[in-house]
Amino acid sequence: DAGVIQSPRHEVTEMGQEVTLRCKPISGHNSLFWYRQTMMRGLELLIYFNNNVPIDDSGMPEDRFSAKMPNASFSTLKIQPSEPRDSAVYFCASSSRGRSTGELFFGEGSRLTVL
Amino acid sequence: GENVEQHPSTLSVQEGDSAVIKCTYSDSASNYFPWYKQELGKRPQLIIDIRSNVGEKKDQRIAVTLNKTAKHFSLHITETQPEDSAVYFCAASYNFNKFYFGSGTKLNVKP
Repeated sequence: DAGVIQSPRHEVTEMGQEVTLRCKPISGHNSLFWYRQTMMRGLELLIYFNNNVPIDDSGMPEDRFSAKMPNASFSTLKIQPSEPRDSAVYFCASSSRGRSTGELFFGEGSRLTVL
Repeated sequence: GENVEQHPSTLSVQEGDSAVIKCTYSDSASNYFPWYKQELGKRPQLIIDIRSNVGEKKDQRIAVTLNKTAKHFSLHITETQPEDSAVYFCAASYNFNKFYFGSGTKLNVKP
């Protein structure tokens, strides 16, 4: 398995622009998580899905952030409009809760820089 | 919600020495405690985990201990090597739902 695949790996954009980050979870995994990592705040859970349904989005910073999971193999995290304080590494992770382990497998991350 | 605290934030040891990283959690319902290692510029990767029905688990040079009563768990690395240098994160979860991460410990193993 190729693991969790994220794109783009790096994104540099200007304040006010729309940013879309993409994630393909590991095939067969039924839970998907979006995390944001910064030096100041560490790994923050933004939202997680179970069987494509958003279960908890209490970590989403504000209305500028939205996430979707239209099917079991694809999710997006959108920021519109972007701001410099959104600069961070965004990780997608997936897990299979139905098995004996719920290990989180992380993607390589998308490094976002908002100028 | 759950609150995970991790100490120390940085740890420097000599090669061959042991390293211990400690975490506490607040929600007694949490029953799964993984540890992740993140090398510079890379993704976090699971190195060991423990469930609430177990007090200790070992895997070669790494071990994790859990004290449910005190709500704390620790990572122990023995015979440290330079390649152990990384940031280590603890986490707590209830039934593999939301994973709450500690703030991370930057471990530096000096040759």
